[in-house]
Amino acid sequence: AAGVIQSPRHLIKEKRETATLKCYPIPRHDTVYWYQQGPGQDPQFLISFYEKMQSDKGSIPDRFSAQQFSDYHSELNMSSLELGDSALYFCASSSTLPRQYFGPGTRLTVL
Amino acid sequence: AQTVTQSQPEMSVQEAETVTLSCTYDTSESDYYLFWYKQPPSRQMILVIRQEAYKQQNATENRFSVNFQKAAKSFSLKISDSQLGDAAMYFCALLFSGGGADGLTFGKGTHLIIQP
Repeated sequence: AAGVIQSPRHLIKEKRETATLKCYPIPRHDTVYWYQQGPGQDPQFLISFYEKMQSDKGSIPDRFSAQQFSDYHSELNMSSLELGDSALYFCASSSTLPRQYFGPGTRLTVL
Repeated sequence: AQTVTQSQPEMSVQEAETVTLSCTYDTSESDYYLFWYKQPPSRQMILVIRQEAYKQQNATENRFSVNFQKAAKSFSLKISDSQLGDAAMYFCALLFSGGGADGLTFGKGTHLIIQP
């Protein structure tokens, strides 16, 4: 069965640079969620989209923005990167509540 | 605000034995879902089991079962016949079922060690 695809899987950036993470949900899933998991921490909800509209917002920094496109894929844009942004970023998708299917994550390292 | 508390940072169990992981939560909502997720060293988030708050019957999935005490806001996970592959971080999570695309609220996790 098709799963959530995230790209890239690994990303290394310098401080103050910009990064874009991409998420391709499971086919026919209309809802996308983004989570950030720092080292040794639990995942923290950032933001979600339903039918291309922002649905819920968590602890997403103002330096981050996201959107969902007409083909339902989503991108998380991160600017002015800081060392503390180094984390595993998960995308999850769903079609109906309550189950969210998680992707493999993108590991971002900020040097 | 919703909170999820896992009071056991680490648990250890002998292979083939039974272990119970604890989770308590706090929410003002009446309709919600509770989950246990497993995160092995690969870091993939794997759904173990799910419980709807409106259901009194405890969920079971093969060797995994929960003890859901709604009044006490407690949601523990029991793993029977522990196997080496069960070694992982286990996260308890809460989801408000208000109909929107709400995010999961996770606990801090319990690191489960399986001793051969």
